[in-house]
Amino acid sequence: KAGVTQTPRYLIKTRGQQVTLSCSPISGHRSVSWYQQTPGQGLQFLFEYFSETQRNKGNFPGRFSGRQFSNSRSEMNVSTLELGDSALYLCASSLTDSEGAFFGRGTRLTVV
Amino acid sequence: AQSVSQHNHHVILSEAASLELGCNYSYGGTVNLFWYVQYPGQHLQLLLKYFSGDPLVKGIKGFEAEFIKSKFSFNLRKPSVQWSDTAEYFCAVWNSGGYQKVTFGTGTKLQVIP
Repeated sequence: KAGVTQTPRYLIKTRGQQVTLSCSPISGHRSVSWYQQTPGQGLQFLFEYFSETQRNKGNFPGRFSGRQFSNSRSEMNVSTLELGDSALYLCASSLTDSEGAFFGRGTRLTVV
Repeated sequence: AQSVSQHNHHVILSEAASLELGCNYSYGGTVNLFWYVQYPGQHLQLLLKYFSGDPLVKGIKGFEAEFIKSKFSFNLRKPSVQWSDTAEYFCAVWNSGGYQKVTFGTGTKLQVIP
């Protein structure tokens, strides 16, 4: 079956702009989580959506937001981009807690 | 707040050497524990997981991990590493009590020398 798909793979944005990233989970998975990966901070949890509801949220400012659609596809939005937002953004989907998460290849965001 | 510590940031081993990567977590409730691997240029992949039952879990590619509840540890082991095991390894804790929140360790880069 198809894995987790993230689009686009690469993005270059200017400070102050906003960006929307997309994630299509594995078919049947209703939980979608987003992570930010940077060399300095490692993998940090952004938020998790389950059945269109945000179930949990990490310690990121309100500029980072997300949503999930009825088909479980999810989008993440970052407004008023800052240079420090440059990172690899990973999406993961899961069926249950015990299954673990399946990750996409990520979207590499560069803010200039 | 829960946290995950991976004390080894960079490990260099020769082929056939034994591997043990440490992972300690802090959380008093019920947790699910995972090890993920990220090979160079590839996405994160699940290596193994502990949910309940036998604390010694076996994963793919000959890896295993032991959950020691009293030590809040979930160390990853492999008896004999191969060059192809060169990758970054992440320990993760899922809080299964109420909110499904996950915390990752900072990762351990393993370099296996042929």
